Amino acid sequence: SAVISQKPSRDICQRGTSLTIQCQVDSQVTMMFWYRQQPGQSLTLIATANQGSEATYESGFVIDKFPISRPNLTFSTLTVSNMSPEDSSIYLCSVEESYEQYFGPGTRLTVT
Amino acid sequence: DAKTTQPTSMDCAEGRAANLPCNHSTISGNEYVYWYRQIHSQGPQYIIHGLKNNETNEMASLIITEDRKSSTLILPHATLRDTAVYYCIVSRNPRQLTFGSGTQLTVLP
Repeated sequence: SAVISQKPSRDICQRGTSLTIQCQVDSQVTMMFWYRQQPGQSLTLIATANQGSEATYESGFVIDKFPISRPNLTFSTLTVSNMSPEDSSIYLCSVEESYEQYFGPGTRLTVT
Repeated sequence: DAKTTQPTSMDCAEGRAANLPCNHSTISGNEYVYWYRQIHSQGPQYIIHGLKNNETNEMASLIITEDRKSSTLILPHATLRDTAVYYCIVSRNPRQLTFGSGTQLTVLP
């Protein structure tokens, strides 16, 4: 089973700034997924990141706000740009392997 | 993908079986039923999935009705560590998971 780590585990940021979240997997994977979980809510898929191509964004999420990089098969970053308090959430990355999605521990972001 | 309906919350006594229901009356023939759980402050964890037949693994059993319109996740001997939000998801593709609000299962000592 894939093991996923994320950095940072949590951060407090000021509005108008940007934060880049890193996701590292211990094996090579084709697709990586980024989710957002707002306080008290369920998970919402932000985008799917394939190595070597542009990420595919879900409805309601745009590249200017959530740029994603996927430089190799074990690593991805998600940037939350020009943050507002509404961006306060847990951000999680995941990978799929043999019908199972494995999730990272999440990055808890608070925007003040 | 088909929508699912789950109870908002359930309690279960420690050591007893926890039976978590899920309705998915609009499921289509090529959609699987997936179950994940999220323990507080952690990422979701895969539990089990199935298409038509009942499935069992080391964590749980999945019972799918013959018409596939509903299913039940069974944790045979619930422990306090099984307290979590349980998500029932119907999807054709394990890479396309739409999480609903899930069921908060509380295992009571």
